[in-house]
Amino acid sequence: DAGVTQTPRHEVAEKGQTIILKCEPVSGHNDLFWYRQTKIQGLELLSYFRSKSLMEDGGAFKDRFKAEMLNSSFSTLKIQPTEPKDSAVYLCASSRDWGTQYFGPGTRLTVL
Amino acid sequence: QQKVQQSPESLSVPEGGMASLNCTSSDRNFQYFWWYRQHSGEGPKALMSIFSDGDKKEGRFTAHLNKASLHVSLHIRDSQPSDSALYFCAASERDNNNAPRFGAGTKLTVKP
Repeated sequence: DAGVTQTPRHEVAEKGQTIILKCEPVSGHNDLFWYRQTKIQGLELLSYFRSKSLMEDGGAFKDRFKAEMLNSSFSTLKIQPTEPKDSAVYLCASSRDWGTQYFGPGTRLTVL
Repeated sequence: QQKVQQSPESLSVPEGGMASLNCTSSDRNFQYFWWYRQHSGEGPKALMSIFSDGDKKEGRFTAHLNKASLHVSLHIRDSQPSDSALYFCAASERDNNNAPRFGAGTKLTVKP
């Protein structure tokens, strides 16, 4: 079975740009998570979907970060407008019914 | 407030030695635990889950859970250089709509 797919693997953006990161979860999984990972803050939850419904979002990220599940096999994370402090690795993960999470390889975002 | 605390922040053991990592939940509702491992440049991968009091062994890895103290540990025997990675503990509620919570991680270095 295919694992979690994330594209692109690397993204470089100018401050103020809009960027969209993509994620395809494991087939059959109904939970989808977006995280931001930095050395200082560790893993921070951005959004959590269950069966395409938004269940939880990280309060600190509401203003410029928007995650969506267009269907059960595809999700996007939009950052608008980007700021240099958004430079981080963005991870997508999926699971089935509160089970073990399967993570994608991540997208490394650099904002200049 | 961080619901999951991990210690130590970093740990160095010789090849063939035993590594012991600790994790505590500060919320009594979050009492179902996972251990994940992340090698540099990759997404985290699940090592094991533990939901019941006592020990759970998978190969060289043994997890121990004490639900009364909400403490879980991970012991790696016969540590190998390939075990060098960032180890995360995650805690979850069951049958709830909140995402699991991750600790800040323990960086393990196994020296040849």
